[in-house]
Amino acid sequence: AQSVTQLDSHVSVSEGTPVLLRCNYSSSYSPSLFWYVQHPNKGLQLLLKYTSAATLVKGINGFEAEFKKSETSFHLTKPSAHMSDAAEYFCVVSAGYGNKLVFGAGTILRVKS
Amino acid sequence: DTGVSQNPRHKITKRGQNVTFRCDPISEHNRLYWYRQTLGQGPEFLTYFQNEAQLEKSRLLSDRFSAERPKGSFSTLEIQRTEQGDSAMYLCASSLVPPPLADFTDTQYFGPGTRLTVL
Repeated sequence: AQSVTQLDSHVSVSEGTPVLLRCNYSSSYSPSLFWYVQHPNKGLQLLLKYTSAATLVKGINGFEAEFKKSETSFHLTKPSAHMSDAAEYFCVVSAGYGNKLVFGAGTILRVKS
Repeated sequence: DTGVSQNPRHKITKRGQNVTFRCDPISEHNRLYWYRQTLGQGPEFLTYFQNEAQLEKSRLLSDRFSAERPKGSFSTLEIQRTEQGDSAMYLCASSLVPPPLADFTDTQYFGPGTRLTVL
């Protein structure tokens, strides 16, 4: 069965410093992986998607993630945090036919001024 | 706005009552998904439709839950005899899967959700 583990429930960074949100996945076959962001009282928004093409995936708002098969990881990074990045981030794996999404528990990102 | 819409946004009900939620997907999207998100957790898959056909239901979807997508457009999710454990955010997502690539990794676009509180 497919699953994801987000290694940090909360991450706090200062504005202008790098962001790293960690995710490990488990999949019985080559996975499709996603990062979604959820701002308070707003719907889930797709940041980026990996589907077995380039291992370094660029997303919106300066975020990117690198697929590392040997480490079964898909960490999300951003070089410089902005106050508007404060939100909850979900690492997601696609679970087979029908593309049911399996979400991690989420990482809440806090950005300090 | 051409995104996924859900109504109502909030629903408060008493235990034992029936509730129905509606989801309007992005126009021409042929797949529609329902997820449930409880406080502090990521969303969990409930069911999905390809056009009007309901293709899979999660074990989370007890027999008190029923979902329909009668004309392959909007969908409804009904919960009968609500329980306090049903309190959650119910999320709808839609996507476009070009035939015949049924196994295509689609991008799901989520609505704002319906927050259900069962007293």
